Amino acid sequence: RKEVEQDPGPFNVPEGATVAFNCTYSNSASQSFFWYRQDCRKEPKLLMSVYSSGNEDGRFTAQLNRASQYISLLIRDSKLSDSATYLCVVNYVYSGGGADGLTFGKGTHLIIQP
Amino acid sequence: DAGVIQSPRHEVTEMGQEVTLRCKPISGHDYLFWYRQTMMRGLELLIYFNNNVPIDDSGMPEDRFSAKMPNASFSTLKIQPSEPRDSAVYFCASSLGETPVGSTAYGYTFGSGTRLTVV
Repeated sequence: RKEVEQDPGPFNVPEGATVAFNCTYSNSASQSFFWYRQDCRKEPKLLMSVYSSGNEDGRFTAQLNRASQYISLLIRDSKLSDSATYLCVVNYVYSGGGADGLTFGKGTHLIIQP
Repeated sequence: DAGVIQSPRHEVTEMGQEVTLRCKPISGHDYLFWYRQTMMRGLELLIYFNNNVPIDDSGMPEDRFSAKMPNASFSTLKIQPSEPRDSAVYFCASSLGETPVGSTAYGYTFGSGTRLTVV
């Protein structure tokens, strides 16, 4: 069973604050992890890949914890333009080694307030 | 590159009518995916193709849904007959991919979606 679970929010955060959200996944064999961003009535867009060692892209930091099967996204010095829905994305690997398409969480809604 | 192109952007149709959604992937991408998004269920994978061949259609809700990819630059998703519960945003996405699909090096590029309303 494929499951990617996220807190739907909304997270209401003042501009300039730091905000973090987590996501848990059920398939321990999953190999690829991403965060996507989706603006209202728009398509999802790749924000960043998540690597085992953790990775940073400007104000955004992604972490992967394979033992606990969760990934996290940290946004520092949040901007009004960060308001969006953030989708946690995982690929699923079958026991036979075949892989499936990416599975998306339902997203966490973030609202940055002035 | 123009990105993934979907048409139409919006479609309103009456229950029972046939609906055809179209997608042009990014040139050179060998994977193509059809997703459906609703508030209740989020983004659901319907079907995906590799080199124009359907690989997994287990997400297709029922026989009313069918998808084709006659060549590397075009795919269709057809619903016949349509029902009100099919109302959703349908996204097409493409990827360079590699094994396993969607590996760390590549995410997916989505089209702008088709907002389907069945009344």
